[in-house]
Amino acid sequence: GAVVSQHPSRVICKSGTSVKIECRSLDFQATTMFWYRQFPKQSLMLMATSNEGSKATYEQGVEKDKFLINHASLTLSTLTVTSAHPEDSSFYICSAQGGDPSTDTQYFGPGTRLTVL
Amino acid sequence: RKEVEQDPGPFNVPEGATVAFNCTYSNSASQSFFWYRQDCRKEPKLLMSVYSSGNEDGRFTAQLNRASQYISLLIRDSKLSDSATYLCVVSLNTGGFKTIFGAGTRLFVKA
Repeated sequence: GAVVSQHPSRVICKSGTSVKIECRSLDFQATTMFWYRQFPKQSLMLMATSNEGSKATYEQGVEKDKFLINHASLTLSTLTVTSAHPEDSSFYICSAQGGDPSTDTQYFGPGTRLTVL
Repeated sequence: RKEVEQDPGPFNVPEGATVAFNCTYSNSASQSFFWYRQDCRKEPKLLMSVYSSGNEDGRFTAQLNRASQYISLLIRDSKLSDSATYLCVVSLNTGGFKTIFGAGTRLFVKA
């Protein structure tokens, strides 16, 4: 199956710093990438959808100025958590999809565990 | 009402048991359906897509009933390694494609 990587896998940072997370599709071109957040024992919550070369579409309640998404190429999307605070500590997972999104499945990266002190 | 609803469980079953998970979705315009599994502190992984005709992959069988807006997953001869959270996933086009995850059903298979 398709491979999606994420980097870093784990990050611990001080409150107020910014953290960048990279999501790469390694063996296919991802026309659409998704960013999710998952708190302990809760389901995945979609944060935003990004298409290569265009602005991301954010879900209701997700601050676009705090969670900056860049999808500069068909194989790379980045999520930057700006001025992170302890409540931003979570498991951030990206997924990538190619071709027709109504039929193509999403392939997930291994996730990034963010801890903000 | 949630767009995708699942019984959260947990389901505790012995090895070798057959277990069934159910999922309902609220939007009749839903187009694609999937089951994912997620292990603790890991990313979700695609288990299988779900088709109207039903589909089987080894010990796993998925069914879709569009009229009832209901999806099921049956696991036969449960293994210890089947212990995970099973996520029901629905995709639909509402002017833009959207994928909705259920909250998941936790399964514990015990020796």
